[in-house]
Amino acid sequence: EPEVTQTPSHQVTQMGQEVILRCVPISNHLYFYWYRQILGQKVEFLVSFYNNEISEKSEIFDDQFSVERPDGSNFTLKIRSTKLEDSAMYFCASSPLAGNTEAFFGQGTRLTVV
Amino acid sequence: SQQGEEDPQALSIQEGENATMNCSYKTSINNLQWYRQNSGRGLVHLILIRSNEREKHSGRLRVTLDTSKKSSSLLITASRAADTASYFCVPTQGGSEKLVFGKGTKLTVNP
Repeated sequence: EPEVTQTPSHQVTQMGQEVILRCVPISNHLYFYWYRQILGQKVEFLVSFYNNEISEKSEIFDDQFSVERPDGSNFTLKIRSTKLEDSAMYFCASSPLAGNTEAFFGQGTRLTVV
Repeated sequence: SQQGEEDPQALSIQEGENATMNCSYKTSINNLQWYRQNSGRGLVHLILIRSNEREKHSGRLRVTLDTSKKSSSLLITASRAADTASYFCVPTQGGSEKLVFGKGTKLTVNP
């Protein structure tokens, strides 16, 4: 069964460093998302991406964040200068269609900023 | 997009029993989705019910939707220890593709 894959599963980084979280969405899907979940808190939407551009973003998704689909298969989230409060589980998701259809989530990358 | 409110916040049952979780929301919807999250891991889509549907089944899952009361329920029959997880209802409407997750219902199924 096709699945969304995320790498790495766990990343530890120094405060102020840049990190890139990688995702391979399901191949025929058109919509891509990043969500995050701080330990013990709700899953929060960060950004959606369609047709090679951001379609929607949350207040969390400020200038330190960026997304890219560099080669037609990968979907990346870059955090430019990490802060302690960026420590969280980051989930990538993809959907085949528009219209609030089901989203398929990866297993997440646990980012720890020290 | 709006957030669903799940009730109860926590539910503990014995294996083999049925588990019922409820969801309320505030404004009209296109559809309502239920997701499951095993401790800290990725979310898994369980079922989607459209606004013109009243009931839907998938294996041991039964979902109802009452748009007049702006509520939904998820029933898991003959629960198993592997059903232990948090369950989220996500009402969706046009104009946004994002999913908004609430606090969920934390279900514990004791063997």
